[in-house]
Amino acid sequence: SQKIEQNSEALNIQEGKTATLTCNYTNYSPAYLQWYRQDPGRGPVFLLLIRENEKEKRKERLKVTFDTTLKQSLFHITASQPADSATYLCALGATNKLIFGTGTLLAVQP
Amino acid sequence: NAGVTQTPKFQVLKTGQSMTLQCAQDMNHNSMYWYRQDPGMGLRLIYYSASEGTTDKGEVPNGYNVSRLNKREFSLRLESAAPSQTSVYFCASRDRVGNTIYFGEGSWLTVV
Repeated sequence: SQKIEQNSEALNIQEGKTATLTCNYTNYSPAYLQWYRQDPGRGPVFLLLIRENEKEKRKERLKVTFDTTLKQSLFHITASQPADSATYLCALGATNKLIFGTGTLLAVQP
Repeated sequence: NAGVTQTPKFQVLKTGQSMTLQCAQDMNHNSMYWYRQDPGMGLRLIYYSASEGTTDKGEVPNGYNVSRLNKREFSLRLESAAPSQTSVYFCASRDRVGNTIYFGEGSWLTVV
């Protein structure tokens, strides 16, 4: 069956370090993959999109990689700040739908 | 622009009651979606509408109905609410060019 897996445990890091979040999937061939940020009590907010023919995408302190052979995406936040603390969701694009992972809670300690 | 607006924000229902969650977007998007979010389960797609006049089932459609009233509005109806439908519901719309999904702020529904 189709599956999207993100680190279920919270990721705790020190301010200034690089946070790396993982998204693995099976039985999908997505045309693109997206990352969203969700704060408590709010709806998810789009961060980055990477297409299947792209290896890496950057936006300010954010970097996403996409390895369709490994069926994995890595999401990096460099020079992390306490304000980066949130849940991060990966989502796979398929036709008219977007299928989401369960998300990883990131906590950046000052 | 308001983006995606959904109402109500909070609702408590008794088992067997019915209600409709309303959603409207002002971005002229063709595609709209209803998701539910439960702890440990992530966002699961209930129904979606690729364009005005069409609706399709998602991953967890049982117990729900939808109406795409026009291009702006997409409502979700619970005909006979059950405790298993206690959840946070998100409406969303999609920008076809960028494939970005824009979410509303969520509706917290409790069925007792």
